[in-house]
Amino acid sequence: DTAVSQTPKYLVTQMGNDKSIKCEQNLGHDTMYWYKQDSKKFLKIMFSYNNKELIINETVPNRFSPKSPDKAHLNLHINSLELGDSAVYFCASSQDWGPSLEQFFGPGTRLTVL
Amino acid sequence: LAKTTQPISMDSYEGQEVNITCSHNNIATNDYITWYQQFPSQGPRFIIQGYKTKVTNEVASLFIPADRKSSTLSLPRVSLSDTAVYYCLVGFNQGGKLIFGQGTELSVKP
Repeated sequence: DTAVSQTPKYLVTQMGNDKSIKCEQNLGHDTMYWYKQDSKKFLKIMFSYNNKELIINETVPNRFSPKSPDKAHLNLHINSLELGDSAVYFCASSQDWGPSLEQFFGPGTRLTVL
Repeated sequence: LAKTTQPISMDSYEGQEVNITCSHNNIATNDYITWYQQFPSQGPRFIIQGYKTKVTNEVASLFIPADRKSSTLSLPRVSLSDTAVYYCLVGFNQGGKLIFGQGTELSVKP
């Protein structure tokens, strides 16, 4: 009965490869997010979708492309992986869009680019 | 430029009260302050949220002064299990920005 789930939990890959991380929430929420947490534990928002519509698109290389097939899923596809992409990526969801709404986070995906 | 600043680390002992302050000078009238707790290898988890004055729940209190340029998370009588990283988040309604502080690593010792 996990609320926000991500797959895979760990991802090790070579530079230049393309990879995807999947996220699903069973809370019935309308808004989903992707965050990147670097080695210094700094959390930075990357994208946010509300009802499958892109709401936030921070300064992120266009090698990163989010895709929301429905309200319960927000996947992150990364092309041409670079060493600097190594980080923990967190998916989150909230009931609706709004900076004051509580977010529920997934367990994270640790991406290591060699 | 919206910025949220908090101490990098703090140490405490079991049973003490811990106060972690977050600075958010650019906060505007309708912006909310939220605190999250993160344990190793887990996602952040909501602790408390406030807009002004004081908010209290079963795990923490949040104090926000009148000018709202800072806020303080107060954890009463911490235990070893409160060892975690605590993040301050300001949701800026103008532009829809979500800015996390860099996180405060709290270490509670016996």
